[in-house]
Order: sequence, then structure tokens, then C-alpha cells
Amino acid sequence: GENVEQHPSTLSVQEGDSAVIKCTYSDSASNYFPWYKQELGKGPQLIIDIRSNVGEKKDQRIAVTLNKTAKHFSLHITETQPEDSAVYFCAASFDNDMRFGAGTRLTVKP
Amino acid sequence: ETGVTQTPRHLVMGMTNKKSLKCEQHLGHNAMYWYKQSAKKPLELMFVYSLEERVENNSVPSRFSPECPNSSHLFLHLHTLQPEDSALYLCASSQDLIGGETQYFGPGTRLLVL
Repeated sequence: GENVEQHPSTLSVQEGDSAVIKCTYSDSASNYFPWYKQELGKGPQLIIDIRSNVGEKKDQRIAVTLNKTAKHFSLHITETQPEDSAVYFCAASFDNDMRFGAGTRLTVKP
Repeated sequence: ETGVTQTPRHLVMGMTNKKSLKCEQHLGHNAMYWYKQSAKKPLELMFVYSLEERVENNSVPSRFSPECPNSSHLFLHLHTLQPEDSALYLCASSQDLIGGETQYFGPGTRLLVL
């Protein structure tokens, strides 16, 4: 089955800097890659996703890149703000089987 | 708000208690999921329902018993739990049970088993 690894587990950046979180997956059949943000006391919320027929997708300050050959994808947050502080999860999915990474705790220092 | 609600938000129970977690989705989705979230571990998929039929049970102990009376409601019945079952239990829904469907999560129920 699919195995998703996520790095780093914790990330601390200064406000205004960029943050990058990376994930690798094992099943080359995976074709859907969502990213979720989980704030304290809340469930994960989708922030951006990408499908295997696209290499990059951007939505304002967040972007995701996908390298199918290397089986890795990354989340990029630019101009970070304190409200970006949360736990971020990547996931990889094929058919109805979605596997999640262990999460990255991002702290943005004002 | 994601359109998925869960009650209760917090639950403390003893190992001999019986309790139920409730999930309701207001999105008109056909698929619903239960996940277990433990500290520093990936989300663990427990059960999947599509159109009220259970389609997946990921080797979950029988002390967890799901119920899906209709496509909008999902329950997780708990009995004789162990302390290691303490975790955040998340419910999610998606439009259908096909590849590439976004899952929408509820806020979770924080469970503590004493």
C-alpha cells in the first residue's frame, strides 16, 4: 500500500520568510495530492491540492509542486504570517485510498 | 466551517463505559469516514462508508463499532476501550468514493479513556 513520508516534523520561520514542506510517496499509481492545515482544536482543512496531470499549482501565497518521476511533492508558503502557524498534512491518494503524512508543525514568529 | 459537525467535542470515559460519537454532514456527500489521530502519527483510517454501506474496515478492534443509518449521519459506538484508544477521532465526508475526491473533516472528538 501507499506510504507517505513528510519532512520536517517541525519548522520555525520568521514572519515574512518562506516555508517549504516536503513529502514523498511510494505508490506510483497515486494521482491526487491534497494538503491540509490543522489549527488547534479544529479538524484538518484543505488548503490546496494537485492532481498528477499538473506539475504546479498556486493560490495566492501558497503553492504546491509535484514531481511524479521522483514521487515527491512540496508545499510552499511565501510571506508567512503568524496565522499560518498550524500543523500541515500532506496526503497521497489513488482510487479511494488516501494516506497521510505525519504532519509538520509550522511556527511563524512575529 | 466545513459542513461536517461532530459531537461531543470532548469525552472522558472509563474502560467499562459505553459511549457513542456522532458525525453529521450537511454537504450532500455520499461517502463518510472515521479516522483516528494520535500525536505525531499519520491519520489512521478506521472505517469508510459509501451510500450507507461499509466498504472498508482497516483491522479495527471490535470495541469500535460504526453505524451509518443514512448518508448524512455516521456514528462510532465505543465499548470496553483501552487507555491507548485515547486520541482525536475525526469524521470526514466526500462527494463520492472515487479517486481524487476531496475529503472534508469535522472538528473531531477528543477522547480520553481512563
